[in-house]
Amino acid sequence: KAGVTQTPRYLIKTRGQQVTLSCSPISGHRSVSWYQQTPGQGLQFLFEYFSETQRNKGNFPGRFSGRQFSNSRSEMNVSTLELGDSALYLCASSDLGQGTSPLHFGNGTRLTVT
Amino acid sequence: AQTVTQSQPEMSVQEAETVTLSCTYDTSENNYYLFWYKQPPSRQMILVIRQEAYKQQNATENRFSVNFQKAAKSFSLKISDSQLGDTAMYFCAFISGNTPLVFGKGTRLSVIA
Repeated sequence: KAGVTQTPRYLIKTRGQQVTLSCSPISGHRSVSWYQQTPGQGLQFLFEYFSETQRNKGNFPGRFSGRQFSNSRSEMNVSTLELGDSALYLCASSDLGQGTSPLHFGNGTRLTVT
Repeated sequence: AQTVTQSQPEMSVQEAETVTLSCTYDTSENNYYLFWYKQPPSRQMILVIRQEAYKQQNATENRFSVNFQKAAKSFSLKISDSQLGDTAMYFCAFISGNTPLVFGKGTRLSVIA
């Protein structure tokens, strides 16, 4: 089975722009979670989607949004980028959702905002 | 809110030796899961081991084992016969009920030849 696939691997954007990150979960997994990883804050939860519905949301501003499609693929969007949004964004999938089955992570998208 | 604390930012161990990484957590829940994840330079987080709180027996996966002390809220990871490929960041994580997975800040482990 193919693992979790995140695209692109690297992204460089300018302040004020917006960006969309993509995540394809393991086949059969219905839950997709997103995390932001920075050296200072560590891993912080953004949101979880399960069968196209947002199940849980972390403490991030409204500039961060996401969605999940009927094939379980997920996208995360960040609008009006700030320098502090530079981070590694990790996507993880699980078959029954967080709390029920382990998360399987992708390789992440490294976002740099200049 | 649940918190996870890893008090060792960095550790090193000689190849073939044993090393123990510490993790403590804070929760008022009785049913929960604990995990150790490994993140090598490739950036992918890999599940190392999982422990259910209701199980008294410590989980083991080949060279990896945990010492789960529920009353003390402690969950340490022991790596036996350390290998160069074990060099990575190790994250302790906690989850309970409908709350999302919470991670510690990580311990950077270097295995030295």
